[in-house]
Amino acid sequence: DGGITQSPKYLFRKEGQNVTLSCEQNLNHDAMYWYRQDPGQGLRLIYYSQIVNDFQKGDIAEGYSVSREKKESFPLTVTSAQKNPTAFYLCASSIKGAGGYTFGSGTRLTVV
Amino acid sequence: GENVEQHPSTLSVQEGDSAVIKCTYSDSASNYFPWYKQELGKRPQLIIDIRSNVGEKKDQRIAVTLNKTAKHFSLHITETQPEDSAVYFCAASYSGAGSYQLTFGKGTKLSVIP
Repeated sequence: DGGITQSPKYLFRKEGQNVTLSCEQNLNHDAMYWYRQDPGQGLRLIYYSQIVNDFQKGDIAEGYSVSREKKESFPLTVTSAQKNPTAFYLCASSIKGAGGYTFGSGTRLTVV
Repeated sequence: GENVEQHPSTLSVQEGDSAVIKCTYSDSASNYFPWYKQELGKRPQLIIDIRSNVGEKKDQRIAVTLNKTAKHFSLHITETQPEDSAVYFCAASYSGAGSYQLTFGKGTKLSVIP
């Protein structure tokens, strides 16, 4: 069953803690993306990667980091520098340079 | 970069009526315009898309129109049903320096009243 999988579904972070959100796809897509979704804010781009070992900052990259060591995987780390991390995080993938995205089911991150 | 404006932010219609959501974009180089439907707590799913060489596309009760001159595109849903209730996002593709990414509007919450 081809698709894109995000884990965990729910994640709780303590103040000052780094957490990593997982995103894995078996669609053979070259490009992968991370978006943050807040109520009334739509989808805002955090980071994206067009190819393995390369990635670019999106509109709201501060306080986040990513890696792209494998084509299938694009984990997102929310660092302690991100002061307001509570949000719904969506990972997506696409054919490089074209077409719509396939989204994962999301991770809801809450600061406790 | 690209900027996408979406209106209205909320829309309520009676079951069976039509719903129209409008988006404008800023970058005349954009050439791909998808629409996504997101039900509460779920992932966005592509429902229809249009490319800049086409003015209109229809899929059953859903249609999208594109006006390149005015840089706006619209989603039309006819004979609305309660299961159409969701948040709808428009998007436009922006290519620059070899990169590719979608820029999304802020979404429209559609409520279909039975």
